[in-house]
Amino acid sequence: DAGITQSPRHKVTETGTPVTLRCHQTENHRYMYWYRQDPGHGLRLIHYSYGVKDTDKGEVSDGYSVSRSKTEDFLLTLESATSSQTSVYFCAIKETGRGQETQYFGPGTRLLVL
Amino acid sequence: GQNIDQPTEMTATEGAIVQINCTYQTSGFNGLFWYQQHAGEAPTFLSYNVLDGLEEKGRFSSFLSRSKGYSYLLLKELQMKDSASYLCAVRDYYGGSQGNLIFGKGTKLSVKP
Repeated sequence: DAGITQSPRHKVTETGTPVTLRCHQTENHRYMYWYRQDPGHGLRLIHYSYGVKDTDKGEVSDGYSVSRSKTEDFLLTLESATSSQTSVYFCAIKETGRGQETQYFGPGTRLLVL
Repeated sequence: GQNIDQPTEMTATEGAIVQINCTYQTSGFNGLFWYQQHAGEAPTFLSYNVLDGLEEKGRFSSFLSRSKGYSYLLLKELQMKDSASYLCAVRDYYGGSQGNLIFGKGTKLSVKP
């Protein structure tokens, strides 16, 4: 399972409240990613990190911020949650080996914004 | 532009063979991935193709034609547990992209007895 955990696994919150999702990995991977998955859209990249304090935007970054203060943790923050951010959020790491780079996913966080 | 197309849904019979197609148009190309995702679970890695041809891994095979922007995932001897969504993803290298993955919307496969 590439040693990835996400917390919380489920969350219900109200519009306008801040929310932080945590991704934790135990295998010292340099690259980490946050995706959201919605019906009819597939997986879309929100933000990614290529090292401690090194992050960049993905396809759907508006309304989200991230932080990576140590290798093992990548945090996704919704500063002021909106109903359009109701989604399933997946964290992923990139593993390099045997001539290829592969992304492996965490178990996901289901977020409902009321 | 970047676009990855795959059928939305497919149905097949237990024990049969099914082929799930994926076509892509991306700015750059450095590999195509297939993931399996059961309902309510995370995607799991199935296969990777970077060169033209067929890669076989047990009951699953994946094919790539870079000149045609086309791939397929072939599932043999279908089992009920193969009912899942299958996601096609392309690693798109272009200036500053860091080789991130672009995902198709997925194909929901239903295997019937």
